[in-house]
Amino acid sequence: AQTVTQSQPEMSVQEAETVTLSCTYDTSESDYYLFWYKQPPSRQMILVIRQEAYKQQNATENRFSVNFQKAAKSFSLKISDSQLGDAAMYFCAYKTSYDKVIFGPGTSLSVIP
Amino acid sequence: DAGVIQSPRHEVTEMGQEVTLRCKPISGHDYLFWYRQTMMRGLELLIYFNNNVPIDDSGMPEDRFSAKMPNASFSTLKIQPSEPRDSAVYFCASSPRTYEQYFGPGTRLTVT
Repeated sequence: AQTVTQSQPEMSVQEAETVTLSCTYDTSESDYYLFWYKQPPSRQMILVIRQEAYKQQNATENRFSVNFQKAAKSFSLKISDSQLGDAAMYFCAYKTSYDKVIFGPGTSLSVIP
Repeated sequence: DAGVIQSPRHEVTEMGQEVTLRCKPISGHDYLFWYRQTMMRGLELLIYFNNNVPIDDSGMPEDRFSAKMPNASFSTLKIQPSEPRDSAVYFCASSPRTYEQYFGPGTRLTVT
């Protein structure tokens, strides 16, 4: 069965600095999708970034980028130039070949002014 | 597009009562998911539908929970009878054939 692990329950970063959130997953599939979602205090789940496993190039969305290591089954999220509005819960998610999505336990990110 | 719509946003009910949560997915999306979020258990997938057909309901906690999708634009999650341990935020999400899910704002359920 597929699993998603986020080993950092909490992280903090100084405003304008860079932070990396870790995610590892376990699967026997070769083709799948990975996502990072953000959940601010408003509790609305917002997609941050998406990565297709068959693409070697790491996805980027403005200040957000991923380091996708398929062999290591690792999918970390880097946030550059952190802003106060980045403070939120971040969830790593894996989409299986049959379209089920499995979420990790989340990492709570605090941004220090 | 209005996004995924859930109602009610907040629900407070007494133990033993029936609770019905509603969801309107984004038009054109083939998939609909129901999640439950608690501090203890995180985000749990309860059930998901493809083209109105339930595909995987293995996450539904017990027989007190049921979900339906009578058409492409509406789904319900029902709890009968409700218990205090059902208190949580319930999310509905929809997605196109592949790719990311679009979440609704959630329903905060409190069972006293």
